[in-house]
Amino acid sequence: EAGVAQSPRYKIIEKRQSVAFWCNPISGHATLYWYQQILGQGPKLLIQFQNNGVVDDSQLPKDRFSAERLKGVDSTLKIQPAKLEDSAVYLCASSLRGNEQFFGPGTRLTVL
Amino acid sequence: QKEVEQDPGPLSVPEGAIVSLNCTYSNSAFQYFMWYRQYSRKGPELLMYTYSSGNKEDGRFTAQVDKSSKYISLFIRDSQPSDSATYLCASDSGGYQKVTFGIGTKLQVIP
Repeated sequence: EAGVAQSPRYKIIEKRQSVAFWCNPISGHATLYWYQQILGQGPKLLIQFQNNGVVDDSQLPKDRFSAERLKGVDSTLKIQPAKLEDSAVYLCASSLRGNEQFFGPGTRLTVL
Repeated sequence: QKEVEQDPGPLSVPEGAIVSLNCTYSNSAFQYFMWYRQYSRKGPELLMYTYSSGNKEDGRFTAQVDKSSKYISLFIRDSQPSDSATYLCASDSGGYQKVTFGIGTKLQVIP
C-alpha cells in the first residue's frame, strides 16, 4: 500500500512570497489533515477535511493560509504572503478511522 | 496550560535498557491515546493506540493509560539503537475531534 505522498520535500522562499504544498493521501482515506510542526514542537493541526468538506480549520491563519481538497482526494495548502514565523515542516496525514493517522514525509519550509 | 504535556528530554539510555516515556493531559474528554515515533526528517509513525484506561502490549512496546491521574506512559523493553527517535504522545476525544500532540521526547539509545 502506497503511503501519503507530499511535494516538494524542501522549499526556501523569501518573506512575502507565496508557496504551495501538495498532498496525495492513502487511497480510500476520506479524512485528510494538514499540520504545522515547528522545530522542537509537536504537530499542530491547521485544517482537517472529511472528503472535500472542512471539519476543523480553527487554527488556520486564514488571512494568509488557504487549503483545498478538490474531488475529495488530493489537497493543496497555500501560504500567501509568507512570514518568517511560517518556517516549519508542513505535514499531511490521512486516516480511514479518525485516530489512526498516517503521515507523509513532510515539506520543510524555510522563509528568509 | 497545554492540553498534553511532555518532557522534551533528551533521554539517553544504554542499549538493552527499559525506557519509560510519559505524558500528562488536562482534558477530561480525551478518550483515545496514541504514541507516535518520529525519526529525524521523517513524518510521525503510529506506534500504539489505546482507548480509555489500561495497558496495551505490542512486542517490546507497552502503552499504559491511567485516566484517574491523566497520565500516559510508553515502555520500551530491550531498547535498541534503532529506537532512537522522538516519541510523541497524542490524545483526542473521539469521533473526528482534533488530535492534540505533545512536544515529543527525544530518545537516544547508545550501543
